[in-house]
Amino acid sequence: DGGITQSPKYLFRKEGQNVTLSCEQNLNHDAMYWYRQDPGQGLRLIYYSQIVNDFQKGDIAEGYSVSREKKESFPLTVTSAQKNPTAFYLCASTLSGRGDTQYFGPGTRLTVL
Amino acid sequence: KQEVTQIPAALSVPEGENLVLNCSFTDSAIYNLQWFRQDPGKGLTSLLLIQSSQREQTSGRLNASLDKSSGRSTLYIAASQPGDSATYLCAVEDNNDMRFGAGTRLTVKP
Repeated sequence: DGGITQSPKYLFRKEGQNVTLSCEQNLNHDAMYWYRQDPGQGLRLIYYSQIVNDFQKGDIAEGYSVSREKKESFPLTVTSAQKNPTAFYLCASTLSGRGDTQYFGPGTRLTVL
Repeated sequence: KQEVTQIPAALSVPEGENLVLNCSFTDSAIYNLQWFRQDPGKGLTSLLLIQSSQREQTSGRLNASLDKSSGRSTLYIAASQPGDSATYLCAVEDNNDMRFGAGTRLTVKP
C-alpha cells in the first residue's frame, strides 16, 4: 500500500536536546511538507520541499531544520532553539506541488519534559 | 495574508440530520480549496478538492461548494452517522501557500 509513514508516534524530549522526526513516503511524490498543529489552531507550515536537495522555509521555520537527500524521505529536526516545541507534527506530500491533493502521515506527538 | 476561519468551532447533531459546515477566507485569489477530516490523534484525510474554476464537488454523502467572490465554502453532509464524528478542516491554497482553518469538531449522537 502506498502512503506516508511517520515515526515515532510519540516522542519525549528533555529541554536542550535536539530530536529528529522521520517522514517517509512511497507515493513517488515530488513535494513534501512539515506542519505543526497546536490545540484549537489550524496547521502551520514549518518547511516544504518541492524537489530533492531543495527546501524552503514556511511561516514558523525558526528552531527547526530539514534535509531532503532522497525523494522519499524528509526528516525534521527540532533543535534546542525552538522554545515551545510541544505540539503535534504532521508530514504531508503532493504529487508535484501546487494545486494537488495533500496526503498526510499519521503524525508525531512531541512533548518536552 | 490569507486568513481562513471556520465557524462554529464545535457542532453536535443527532444521527440522521443533514448538516452544513462553514469555511470563510479573506482573499478570493485562490487556486483551490480542500476539505479534510481529522480523527483524534491522527493525520488528515482529504475529502474533497475544489479547483478555483469549479463551484462544487461531490463524494458520496458529502458535497462541497465554493463561492470565491464571497470568500465562502460549505461542506454539506447528508444523513449524518456517528462515524462522521471528527474534526473537519478546510484549507485554501493561493499564490503563496496553503492556509488551514482551525476546524469544526463534529459530534453525531446515536
